[in-house]
Amino acid sequence: SQQGEEDPQALSIQEGENATMNCSYKTSINNLQWYRQNSGRGLVHLILIRSNEREKHSGRLRVTLDTSKKSSSLLITASRAADTASYFCATDEGGNNFNKFYFGSGTKLNVKP
Amino acid sequence: EAGVTQSPTHLIKTRGQQATLRCSPISGHTSVYWYQQALGLGLQFLLWYDEGEERNRGNFPPRFSGRQFPNYSSELNVNALELEDSALYLCASSLETRSYEQYFGPGTRLTVT
Repeated sequence: SQQGEEDPQALSIQEGENATMNCSYKTSINNLQWYRQNSGRGLVHLILIRSNEREKHSGRLRVTLDTSKKSSSLLITASRAADTASYFCATDEGGNNFNKFYFGSGTKLNVKP
Repeated sequence: EAGVTQSPTHLIKTRGQQATLRCSPISGHTSVYWYQQALGLGLQFLLWYDEGEERNRGNFPPRFSGRQFPNYSSELNVNALELEDSALYLCASSLETRSYEQYFGPGTRLTVT
């Protein structure tokens, strides 16, 4: 199946450091998205990158996409304690299955104050 | 603007019973998605409804079914409940068919005993 897989499964850093997490997938895609889930706010959309894009920025977030390697990375710069959450990548199946999304198991990020 | 709402928050059923979960999308959103998130795992795509029609479904047995009403709210029904159906069920909505950004509700925690 297309299931995306995040790596690492868990990451612990100090406030102010950068956090990088990766996502790999198996088949071609139309888009890749990153979401954040914490107990307080549920699952929240962070950023979408299309298959013809290589890099995208949103505030302290930077996402890259390498379709030849079928992988993406999410960089959070100058992390804050409030960034503590699980981060998921979501991919579609490509082609006409553009609304059938696959989420990985997530990376649990812990930002220590 | 009100977000996606789901009811009930918690639902406890016994094996073999039926469960009905409800979701109201953000006003103006026509697409509704259902996901299952078992404890510690990623989201599994269940169903996608758009303009009242089921457009796609994940790898779940037919006892998982649902519908979308004319006001775009949606219902997920799970028949003949099994213990492994215990999970958080998340509903998400998006503005239209080609809007990939999904807005998630807080979920319904289903426990099957």
